[in-house]
Amino acid sequence: SSELTQDPAVSVALGQTVRITCQGDSLRRFYASWYQQKPGQAPIVVLYGKNNRPSGIPERFSGSDSGDTASLIITGTQAEDEADYYCNSRDSPGNHLGVFGGGTKLTVL
Amino acid sequence: QVQLQESGPGLVKPSQTLSLTCSVYGDSISSGGHFWSWVRQRPGKGLEWLGYSDYTGSSNYNPSLRSRVSISVDTSKNQFSLKLTSVTAADTAVYFCAREVYGGPSIYWFAPWGQGTLVAISS
Repeated sequence: SSELTQDPAVSVALGQTVRITCQGDSLRRFYASWYQQKPGQAPIVVLYGKNNRPSGIPERFSGSDSGDTASLIITGTQAEDEADYYCNSRDSPGNHLGVFGGGTKLTVL
Repeated sequence: QVQLQESGPGLVKPSQTLSLTCSVYGDSISSGGHFWSWVRQRPGKGLEWLGYSDYTGSSNYNPSLRSRVSISVDTSKNQFSLKLTSVTAADTAVYFCAREVYGGPSIYWFAPWGQGTLVAISS
């Protein structure tokens, strides 16, 4: 089955821009979706498809895709963005299994 | 506003079957177009996809759990359920139910999620 690889931890200074990446062969065929999870809470989707933000998600969250890598970009990072971020996609058109990345812990300095 | 709510025992004995139900409010499972899913998170670990069922009962499971996991839908109650057999301490986790949305070719996402329920496996 396919895997999605994320950096375990990333840090960013308050107000700066940070890129969180997700790499995997499945991303050549499926868009990634991105989830923010704060301690003790359920994940919420922050980005899906070709750079789509659900209502209520700030404009500072955006995405980009290149080959087998998807990126979540936070521009002007705020303190409340400190959280774990997970990417997800289906694995292949034949299997349609779900797969999550291992998660990235974002620290806002 | 769509809401999902997990329910079920918080403690299961080793070798027994873990059974959870997710009640769906604000959407109808029988309307189709979505995949009714379960995801778990072991303590201090990341998210693990367990599987899904659509409204017809067609399902798909994580290969690492395929022999032990089943997901079913009850359209009359607007609920879907997870069963995990022969549990061990390694199955201790927070279990989330979620609606996976199909947004067009190659576009899927999970929204909303239930708040999650902690299931401990212990004698």
